[in-house]
Amino acid sequence: KNEVEQSPQNLTAQEGEFITINCSYSVGISALHWLQQHPGGGIVSLFMLSSGKKKHGRLIATINIQEKHSSLHITASHPRDSAVYICAVWAPFWETSGSRLTFGEGTQLTVNP
Amino acid sequence: DAMVIQNPRYQVTQFGKPVTLSCSQTLNHNVMYWYQQKSSQAPKLLFHYYDKDFNNEADTPDNFQSRRPNTSFCFLDIRSPGLGDAAMYLCATSRDPRTGAYNEQFFGPGTRLTVL
Repeated sequence: KNEVEQSPQNLTAQEGEFITINCSYSVGISALHWLQQHPGGGIVSLFMLSSGKKKHGRLIATINIQEKHSSLHITASHPRDSAVYICAVWAPFWETSGSRLTFGEGTQLTVNP
Repeated sequence: DAMVIQNPRYQVTQFGKPVTLSCSQTLNHNVMYWYQQKSSQAPKLLFHYYDKDFNNEADTPDNFQSRRPNTSFCFLDIRSPGLGDAAMYLCATSRDPRTGAYNEQFFGPGTRLTVL
C-alpha cells in the first residue's frame, strides 16, 4: 500500500464544473504539498499546507491532520486546468527512513470545453 | 526571477553512451535533489545534496552518479544508459531541511531523456 494515495486517478470534467481531488496518507507529516504538472513535464507548486485551508484564485486546498486527508478543489474549471495534480507529503525522519517528499501517483484532470 | 534551470530540456542518447544532465539554480538553496519520473508514475528520488554532502537513495542504481561543483550547479551523470532509463529527470532545490521541518521544494522544468 502506498503511503500517499490519490483519488480519482483520472477525472474528466466539463468546463465550469466544480472539481475535487482527494489525497490520503498513512504517516505523520510535517507538511503536504499540492503540485501541478502540465504535459511537457515541469512541476509547479500550488499549495503547501500543514493545517486548515488555503485559497488561491479558483483553487482551494484543505487538510485534516487527524484524518490524514487533504482535498484540492477547483471552482469554475477551465480547459487550461487540464494537467496532472500531485499530492506530496513531507514526513519527519522519525516517521520514515529519512526526511523526503513522498508523492502520490497523481490525478490526471481533463477539462473539456 | 530566481529559478531552477535544467539543460537540455530534451536529450537523446544511444544505448550505453554516457550522458550528463545539468541543473542550475539562482535561489541560493543549499539542498538540491534529482528525481526520475517515468511515464504516468510519481517522481522517484535518486539522490540529493545538503551542500556538498551527497545522499544516495538505497535503490538508486550505480549507473547514476551526481556532481555538485558549487552551490548553483548540480549534474546527473548516467554512465551507461539503458532503455529503461528513458524518463523525465527533475531537479529541485530547497533550503536546508535538516531540522526535519519541510522547506518547500522548487522544481525545474525537467529534462526528457530518450535512449535509442
